[in-house]
Amino acid sequence: NAGVTQTPKFQVLKTGQSMTLQCAQDMNHNSMYWYRQDPGMGLRLIYYSASEGTTDKGEVPNGYNVSRLNKREFSLRLESAAPSQTSVYFCASSEWQTTNYGYTFGSGTRLTVV
Amino acid sequence: AQTVTQSQPEMSVQEAETVTLSCTYDTSESNYYLFWYKQPPSRQMILVIRQEAYKQQNATENRFSVNFQKAAKSFSLKISDSQLGDTAMYFCAFMKTSGTYKYIFGTGTRLKVLA
Repeated sequence: NAGVTQTPKFQVLKTGQSMTLQCAQDMNHNSMYWYRQDPGMGLRLIYYSASEGTTDKGEVPNGYNVSRLNKREFSLRLESAAPSQTSVYFCASSEWQTTNYGYTFGSGTRLTVV
Repeated sequence: AQTVTQSQPEMSVQEAETVTLSCTYDTSESNYYLFWYKQPPSRQMILVIRQEAYKQQNATENRFSVNFQKAAKSFSLKISDSQLGDTAMYFCAFMKTSGTYKYIFGTGTRLKVLA
């Protein structure tokens, strides 16, 4: 099915460990985004990529890095995980010409840092 | 900077009744979009409805409609004939049309539909 695929769906890390969250979309969208969702805080933008080859910081970028590997893939890396990074992470993509600014979201990754 | 406020953390409604979720926002932009997204217990984010700021007519999608008051910067969602499947977290989101199409989300309203 066409859409946004995120892996893994669940992950438990120890403080200080590193990991990469993978995201891929097959809709030929130019723009991709990483958000984190925390209780009572809605979704907050971590990083985004307006087009292949570009990335920019969002509202809460500290402790994260991203790579726009190609048009399809946009990964999020935690270099040294901290308990404050326990959250649900969503990847999304959009293409204003075809989605009229609507986002297509992945199913999320629940990350727990102990 | 833009902000989005959802002042109702939780709401409940009886099945088949109507409920309205509120959203206010703050911006100096003249052109923008507003959205409502639904997040059921499955965690998947689903677009419910969108409104373009330059359109005066309120958007409608089946049982879902909005009351868009541009001057008051208010964007409420009305759900008619509520169904058990409407039980979810609802997020209001703002996006300005200049720039990189980033959303600003509200903190969400948890809606429970009671049988």
